[in-house]
Amino acid sequence: AQSVAQPEDQVNVAEGNPLTVKCTYSVSGNPYLFWYVQYPNRGLQFLLKYITGDNLVKGSYGFEAEFNKSQTSFHLKKPSALVSDSALYFCAVRETRYNFNKFYFGSGTKLNVKP
Amino acid sequence: DTEVTQTPKHLVMGMTNKKSLKCEQHMGHRAMYWYKQKAKKPPELMFVYSYEKLSINESVPSRFSPECPNSSLLNLHLHALQPEDSALYLCASSQAGISEGKALEQYFGPGTRLTVT
Repeated sequence: AQSVAQPEDQVNVAEGNPLTVKCTYSVSGNPYLFWYVQYPNRGLQFLLKYITGDNLVKGSYGFEAEFNKSQTSFHLKKPSALVSDSALYFCAVRETRYNFNKFYFGSGTKLNVKP
Repeated sequence: DTEVTQTPKHLVMGMTNKKSLKCEQHMGHRAMYWYKQKAKKPPELMFVYSYEKLSINESVPSRFSPECPNSSLLNLHLHALQPEDSALYLCASSQAGISEGKALEQYFGPGTRLTVT
């Protein structure tokens, strides 16, 4: 079965500094990986995805993620954090073997960006 | 347009009430999902519809009854809920299957905040 892990419950960073939110995955077959952001009392918002191709994928709001096959990681990054980036971030992987319409989510990482 | 809409935004219901949550998308997606989310936790999958047929039921209690009247609409009928069912209920949609060339991400609605008293 597919799974993703987010080892940090919370990440604190100062505004203007680079940020990294970590995600590792375990999959059978090709990894289809996603990052979502959730603001309080809102739905999840799609940020970016890795399906195939370049290991560095760019997404919305200046976010990017680096796919590393040897380390089975898909870390979310941003060169310069904004206070408005403070939110809950989820890494997810899509099932590619049996129930294709099933997604597995990590436990979430709360990002706090302080002014 | 990548919008999924959900109504109502908030719902308070007693344990003997019957109510329904509604979800709509017009992206041509043929997979639609219901998730339950507790505070600061990841979404928990409840049901998946693929081409208007129920394809996944994650052992959800029968007091939750999903319905997919057509390819754009998804309902969740609620009856005799318990206080522990209070949560944010999220609807999502995606392309069905993982064929080459398909966009594979899910799109989520804003959710319905359900409180059971």
